[in-house]
Amino acid sequence: QKEVEQDPGPLSVPEGAIVSLNCTYSNSAFQYFMWYRQYSRKGPELLMYTYSSGNKEDGRFTAQVDKSSKYISLFIRDSQPSDSATYLCAMRGRRAGGTSYGKLTFGQGTILTVHP
Amino acid sequence: EAQVTQNPRYLITVTGKKLTVTCSQNMNHEYMSWYRQDPGLGLRQIYYSMNVEVTDKGDVPEGYKVSRKEKRNFPLILESPSPNQTSLYFCASSLRPTSPRSYEQYFGPGTRLTVT
Repeated sequence: QKEVEQDPGPLSVPEGAIVSLNCTYSNSAFQYFMWYRQYSRKGPELLMYTYSSGNKEDGRFTAQVDKSSKYISLFIRDSQPSDSATYLCAMRGRRAGGTSYGKLTFGQGTILTVHP
Repeated sequence: EAQVTQNPRYLITVTGKKLTVTCSQNMNHEYMSWYRQDPGLGLRQIYYSMNVEVTDKGDVPEGYKVSRKEKRNFPLILESPSPNQTSLYFCASSLRPTSPRSYEQYFGPGTRLTVT
């Protein structure tokens, strides 16, 4: 079983739709939860970050973390064609030693297309 | 401009011919990492480096070597490439893991490698 599972999609929605992207994970040591966005032929860029459980909002984007269910979500409101990209969830533990120090564990990525 | 650069961006080579992919960052980051991205598997860490002369294996290190002689550079070496190393490779950097913003990794634009 992978440590982080993400539905690869692809997901196709009309402009203006609300998009929900999700990841589940199995490692209870994860404390940092990120969403990266990757445009075609580009490297991933950090979109949202949440530490531990809770919600965070940034414009049209909302990130949610439910540690009790080991489930994280990214919501995109009023989706735009410019949101078309691959969205990757990523997670990291907090412990200060060992080979996982600083390492991000990524989901497989969800391909999103927003059509006009 | 803060950035991570990689070269070359595209490379087609033959089995067994040694190659090096360069990576350089201008943000004075301590932590650097190499990932490969394959369909359905997401981003997997190959090697990482905590600082100059400090490197360690990630999840998929077989067939790869790295070095960190200078803080800004972290080349990836394939001594004898094989077709199963055909992939999209990303270099990334971040502040040291104890830093409050260490969760944010900056990615290069990617190197698409084909080994025939």
